[in-house]
Amino acid sequence: GEDVEQSLFLSVREGDSSVINCTYTDSSSTYLYWYKQEPGAGLQLLTYIFSNMDMKQDQRLTVLLNKKDKHLSLRIADTQTGDSAIYFCAEKSLTGGGNKLTFGTGTQLKVEL
Amino acid sequence: DGGITQSPKYLFRKEGQNVTLSCEQNLNHDAMYWYRQDPGQGLRLIYYSQIVNDFQKGDIAEGYSVSREKKESFPLTVTSAQKNPTAFYLCASSRTSGIEYEQYFGPGTRLTVT
Repeated sequence: GEDVEQSLFLSVREGDSSVINCTYTDSSSTYLYWYKQEPGAGLQLLTYIFSNMDMKQDQRLTVLLNKKDKHLSLRIADTQTGDSAIYFCAEKSLTGGGNKLTFGTGTQLKVEL
Repeated sequence: DGGITQSPKYLFRKEGQNVTLSCEQNLNHDAMYWYRQDPGQGLRLIYYSQIVNDFQKGDIAEGYSVSREKKESFPLTVTSAQKNPTAFYLCASSRTSGIEYEQYFGPGTRLTVT
């Protein structure tokens, strides 16, 4: 079955880069997503990467995918206090039914002044 | 403005009562989903529906029920059989065809049962 793992916490100083990591087990994953959740709110899609890509950049966000190691990372450049939130990675695989996504446990990012 | 709405934002119920959470979308998405979120556990799928009048159980369906009578609406009922119903509930929707399958989320309903 599918399993997606993330570390629970990350603390960085404002202005530094943040790197949030994610590992998954399903080799048939087609799309991998990063979502952001602010306190008491729903999830907001940040970016996604197709499994035949190894990098995608979107302004301050860089997604790296190592398909061989089943490792996904999200780098946030020049981290700001507004980036403090929980970040979820999610995968869509061919083995799952329909369009289900499997979510990681989420990484709480804390940005300190 | 297209999006997903969930109501109410906060809901309080006494133990033993059934409660229904509302989810409506105007994105013209075929698929809709219900998740439960507990601290430190990420999102767990309760039920999902890919088309009107059809739905499937997710990973933690026991004690919950859903209906999908209209494309826009996917209400979730938390029954008295659900042993630990206090949680944050999130509804989402997505396309089922094309190349983009990302799920769009509503703002969530926090249910507290005492």
